[in-house]
Amino acid sequence: DAGITQSPRHKVTETGTPVTLRCHQTENHRYMYWYRQDPGHGLRLIHYSYGVKDTDKGEVSDGYSVSRSKTEDFLLTLESATSSQTSVYFCAISETGGYYEQYFGPGTRLTVT
Amino acid sequence: AQSVTQLDSQVPVFEEAPVELRCNYSSSVSVYLFWYVQYPNQGLQLLLKYLSGSTLVKGINGFEAEFNKSQTSFHLRKPSVHISDTAEYFCAVRGAQKLVFGQGTRLTINP
Repeated sequence: DAGITQSPRHKVTETGTPVTLRCHQTENHRYMYWYRQDPGHGLRLIHYSYGVKDTDKGEVSDGYSVSRSKTEDFLLTLESATSSQTSVYFCAISETGGYYEQYFGPGTRLTVT
Repeated sequence: AQSVTQLDSQVPVFEEAPVELRCNYSSSVSVYLFWYVQYPNQGLQLLLKYLSGSTLVKGINGFEAEFNKSQTSFHLRKPSVHISDTAEYFCAVRGAQKLVFGQGTRLTINP
C-alpha cells in the first residue's frame, strides 16, 4: 500500500471555526490532491499541488485553501467552516499527474454542526 | 476537456451472476483510463488501468475491462460476482495534471 496518512480521521466542529486537515505521504510523489465525497456527487476535486509551493484550484475550491511547504505534507484549510462542508475528504498522490494512477488515503470524516 | 459518464448509478445483481459496469469517456488527448473500487468506509483503490497496448485489461479480484476507441467506452466486467464485491466503482480518465472521475456506480450483490 502507498504510504499515505490523513489526520484527523474524524472531526466534529462548529460553524465558523477554522479547520485544518493534513495529508502526509512517504512516497516522494510530486502531485497531491484533495477531494471531497458526497452522496450523489461522487468525487470532486478541491485543490491540487504539482510541487512544493505550487498549487491550483479544482472544481469546488470556494471556502478552501491549501498549502504545501514540504513534499510530504499537503494541508487543507477551511477558514470558516460551514455545514455545507460536512463531507468525507480524501487525499491522493500521484507520480506524474494524469499519466498514471492516483493512490488514495483512508479519508477524513468532517462534520460541521 | 475530458469527461467520464458512468451510465448506471446503481447495479443490483445476484451472487455468482455476471456483471458489467458501463463507462463512457470523452477526451481530446491520448487516452489513459482507470477503474477504482471503494469498499464501505474505505478509500479508493485501483482495480485496473489502460495506458496502451492490449485493449482487454485484467485487474485484481477477477475484474477485467475492455477499451473500445470507436465507442469511447471502457466497461468493467466480472463473470461471477461474490458478496465481497459489494462496493462503489469509479471510472476515471486522464486529464491535465489530474484524473477526471465519473459519478460512481454502486454494485449491490444479493444472495
